[in-house]
Amino acid sequence: DIVMTQFPDSLAVSLGERATINCKSSQSILYNSNNKNYLAWYQHKPGQPPKLLIYWASTRESGVPERFSGSGSATDFTLTIDSLQAEDVAVYYCQQYYSTRYSFGQGTKLEIK
Amino acid sequence: EVQLLESGGGLVLPGGSLRLSCATSGFPFSTNDMAWVRQAPGKGLEWVSAIGGRTGSTYYADSVKGRFTISRDTSKNTLYLQMNSLRAEDTAVYYCAKPHIDYYIDYWGQGTLVTVSS
Repeated sequence: DIVMTQFPDSLAVSLGERATINCKSSQSILYNSNNKNYLAWYQHKPGQPPKLLIYWASTRESGVPERFSGSGSATDFTLTIDSLQAEDVAVYYCQQYYSTRYSFGQGTKLEIK
Repeated sequence: EVQLLESGGGLVLPGGSLRLSCATSGFPFSTNDMAWVRQAPGKGLEWVSAIGGRTGSTYYADSVKGRFTISRDTSKNTLYLQMNSLRAEDTAVYYCAKPHIDYYIDYWGQGTLVTVSS
């Protein structure tokens, strides 16, 4: 199975500053035939279902603010939130869908400093 | 509009059984992959099981293999998760999830809470 590891586990950032969350997969999730990275990022707030932010590692889902961006390839990925807003407080998860046996990172809790 | 509505959660004794349902609408259920994902109290998201839309092939996390069974009724557009031999560590909110045709999960239900306790 593909193991996804996020770091840090928690992060405190001041309003208006940048937050950076990293995710590493135990094997490459880059599919060579289409050159796509099978990685998604989700935002999860208490009492709500997770919300899709990014897919194909860097494609922003419709309606997601432009301050959210994804980057990386193969085994190393990053979610960046520019100009942090109060409503961005949540737990963020990376997830690989390269394998039918999906797997998630352990989550990164983002708070306001 | 895509809708996923879970039901069937509740309190069950260790060793007991429970069947979760996910009523769906707004997309071609019979050909769409579907999945269950759970979140235990204070823990992260854990993929539990999936079923292939066109093939009906089923997949399970090692933690539930042999105890849980995923199935679907295409006439009712409903996904199921039969959970047997439940353990305390199965206590979680269970989410029904719809993967996009490109496999990432684009829709989630609101979740149903399963509590395994004596």
